[in-house]
Amino acid sequence: EVQLVQSGAEVKNPGESLRISCKASGYHFPGYWIGWVRQMPGKGLEWLGIIFPGGSQVQYSPSFQGQVTMSVDRSISSAYLQWSSLRASDTAIYYCARLSGPTLNKYYFDNWGQGTLVTVSS
Amino acid sequence: QSVLTQPPSVSAAPGQKVTISCSGSSSNVESNYVSWYQQLPGTAPKLLIHDNDKRPSGIPDRFSGSKSGTSATLGITGLQTGDEADYYCGTWDNSVNAGVFGGGTKLTVL
Repeated sequence: EVQLVQSGAEVKNPGESLRISCKASGYHFPGYWIGWVRQMPGKGLEWLGIIFPGGSQVQYSPSFQGQVTMSVDRSISSAYLQWSSLRASDTAIYYCARLSGPTLNKYYFDNWGQGTLVTVSS
Repeated sequence: QSVLTQPPSVSAAPGQKVTISCSGSSSNVESNYVSWYQQLPGTAPKLLIHDNDKRPSGIPDRFSGSKSGTSATLGITGLQTGDEADYYCGTWDNSVNAGVFGGGTKLTVL
């Protein structure tokens, strides 16, 4: 069974750094892109970007390029989303999801993590 | 402002049918495959439809997808109160070389 288990909720002050995680199991981790999706309070889904664990290629949405950093650790089948300096506007639920499809333009997210709530407040 | 346009809300009575539209452009919907996701209150999104019209195993055939030109449509028949959720379309956008989502549609089963 494919599972994506995310790290727990975080409460941070503005300006602090943060890394949240997404641990995969039940499939060949290096073989599938992992995506990150943001959902601000009461709002819709936003596509942050994707990373390929097999080669660490990353594609960020232009709206989020430079705002976040994606990485992976293949040895423990985990993907990470990182901020160097949080802002109040980063407050949201962040989901990781496994990307399927033969090519990126035929992608879909077939399995999702449970989400990590990040709250940034002074 | 989302790249893909969905109606903010739709509603119908139990047992009835509803459709949710997803309007895009030549750089996204028209050129690429569309997927649909259901997000029940307080939960993570769940894949309903991929490749425009294909249902993953376990998704009832009450859910269907179609695409024509720059628009895609999700159809739900035999509405149940358990279908009350937010629904999102998603696809790839060639102009930004990234994925995009619609703004989401809240389904109310009256």
